[in-house]
Amino acid sequence: GDSVTQMEGPVTLSEEAFLTINCTYTATGYPSLFWYVQYPGEGLQLLLKATKADDKGSNKGFEATYRKETTSFHLEKGSVQVSDSAVYFCALKAGGSYIPTFGRGTSLIVHP
Amino acid sequence: KAGVTQTPRYLIKTRGQQVTLSCSPISGHRSVSWYQQTPGQGLQFLFEYFSETQRNKGNFPGRFSGRQFSNSRSEMNVSTLELGDSALYLCASSLGRMEDTQYFGPGTRLTVL
Repeated sequence: GDSVTQMEGPVTLSEEAFLTINCTYTATGYPSLFWYVQYPGEGLQLLLKATKADDKGSNKGFEATYRKETTSFHLEKGSVQVSDSAVYFCALKAGGSYIPTFGRGTSLIVHP
Repeated sequence: KAGVTQTPRYLIKTRGQQVTLSCSPISGHRSVSWYQQTPGQGLQFLFEYFSETQRNKGNFPGRFSGRQFSNSRSEMNVSTLELGDSALYLCASSLGRMEDTQYFGPGTRLTVL
């Protein structure tokens, strides 16, 4: 079946450091890929998405590129802020499915 | 445009009781999905409703049920609560087509004592 694998957290960084959170997937066909962010005490918010190979999703300084050859969708940000501290979820929605499949989430902690 | 709203935000129940959670989707959205989020299991899909019909179902026992009304609002019910049902219950809405993105509410934190 479809699955998403994210790197284990927590990821701890200093402010202004470079961020990478790895995400790889297994799916039939050509899924759409998503990153969601969950701030403490809140629900999930869509951060960015990509619907086909080589697409780059971007939002609020975060970027992720849909790499079909490596089945990956790694999340990156050039300079993190304390306010980016949250849990980040990678997800896919395979063709023919209404329901996304989520990874386990990666906690990011940014220190001043 | 108002987002997805969930009520109540917090709930404390005891084992054996039942509970009903409510979700109001974004205006115009016809699909509502429910998820259970726990530290141990992560985010698990419960069920999805579209136009008042359950269209998809996750792997949860029959104690978990839901329904959707004609205005797309949805309720989720858990009967005979167990300690393991303590979780954040998230509702998400979308237009309902396969290519649509889901938008999440803030969740209802259920604690079972």
